[in-house]
Amino acid sequence: DIQMTQSPSTLSASVGDRVTITCRASQSISTWLAWYQQKPGKAPKFLIYKASSLESGVPSRFSGSGSGTEFTLTINSLQPEDFATYYCQQCNSYPWTFGQGTKVEIK
Amino acid sequence: EVQLVESGGGLVKPGGSLKLSCAASGFTFSTYSMNWVRQAPGKGLEWVSSISSSSHYIYYADSVKGRFTISRDNAKNSLYLQMNSLRAEDTAVYYCARDRGAVVVGHDYWGQGTVVTVSS
Repeated sequence: DIQMTQSPSTLSASVGDRVTITCRASQSISTWLAWYQQKPGKAPKFLIYKASSLESGVPSRFSGSGSGTEFTLTINSLQPEDFATYYCQQCNSYPWTFGQGTKVEIK
Repeated sequence: EVQLVESGGGLVKPGGSLKLSCAASGFTFSTYSMNWVRQAPGKGLEWVSSISSSSHYIYYADSVKGRFTISRDNAKNSLYLQMNSLRAEDTAVYYCARDRGAVVVGHDYWGQGTVVTVSS
């Protein structure tokens, strides 16, 4: 199985900050990577697919990059509604696997 | 509007069974692969199972293989998860989620989840 490791596990930031979350795969997954945002008590929200393609309706302050084994999710100018937990997921091969999550907290 | 509504969760004793359902609307259900993803209390997301649009391809996580069965009824726009031999570690919120397209690049729509608690 492909292991996905996110860092950091928790990130403290302020409104307006630029934040970056890293996701590493245990083997190459090309660009078969998705990112999700989850708020407490809610279902995950699909943000990015194919490592860098923004899902329709997702604000342009979100961006993704990377290929192979290393990927990043960047949020430019963090907004109050962006405080949440973010997960990466590899879609290269079954079983689909998620990172452990990165919680973005208010500093 | 795409909607996925799960039901069937509840409290069950270890070794018991439960069948989850997911009612889909707002899209052509029969053309999309579907998934179950779960989240244990305070934990991250865990993919459980996937089924292709025609039920031709089915996949399971090792943690549920041999105990859970995914199925769908395209005539009823419904997805199911039959869960047998339940264990305490199966306690979680179970979400149904739609694959974004014919090539799986992620899950673009999710239900609100249904809670399964396995406890004596």
